[in-house]
Amino acid sequence: DQQVKQNSPSLSVQEGRISILNCDYTNSMFDYFLWYKKYPAEGPTFLISISSIKDKNEDGRFTVFLNKSAKHLSLHIVPSQPGDSAVYFCAASGAGTYKYIFGTGTRLKVLA
Amino acid sequence: SAVISQKPSRDICQRGTSLTIQCQVDSQVTMMFWYRQQPGQSLTLIATANQGSEATYESGFVIDKFPISRPNLTFSTLTVSNMSPEDSSIYLCSVREDGSSYNEQFFGPGTRLTVL
Repeated sequence: DQQVKQNSPSLSVQEGRISILNCDYTNSMFDYFLWYKKYPAEGPTFLISISSIKDKNEDGRFTVFLNKSAKHLSLHIVPSQPGDSAVYFCAASGAGTYKYIFGTGTRLKVLA
Repeated sequence: SAVISQKPSRDICQRGTSLTIQCQVDSQVTMMFWYRQQPGQSLTLIATANQGSEATYESGFVIDKFPISRPNLTFSTLTVSNMSPEDSSIYLCSVREDGSSYNEQFFGPGTRLTVL
């Protein structure tokens, strides 16, 4: 059973517009969520995180929103740039554990 | 953040053989992890590599198939034993930096393994 789901395998966005990547989870014990970006032939790079005590965290062009009641989080990138083209993974972990459960990823393509 | 390197970056191996993957970190870290990403799948945690003791394996992974060494706080190896084509994956090590108040892990570049 996939506890962390990214239902959109791919997304295309025009440069300068907003990219919204979505992630759903099923385990209510998850309390820390992260987004990673992965380029081909490289390991995942940490992007932004959010604790369950917050509903929003912002870092430059990247904002993560958390809706605990819906068990849903989203990553907003604005404005999108061609260099943002990559696979984005969301991940979740539970209290007192450093184990991540990853989603299957969404491939973002930002068109110039 | 910690700088992590892995060797080899990729390899093509024959069925039934074994491959040892190395992970080197530029600073001492207590927590080091090994993940697998099968084609089209998400990253799955194989085990937590503990310095000075046996690794802690996740459900579905066993020491005989994936023996792990952790001789010091900057280095670990993962061996994929008696390989079959189903072991074709990207294998990644990651670390959590000591003293970090956050839960982020930092990943190495990965080892792409193809088993024929």
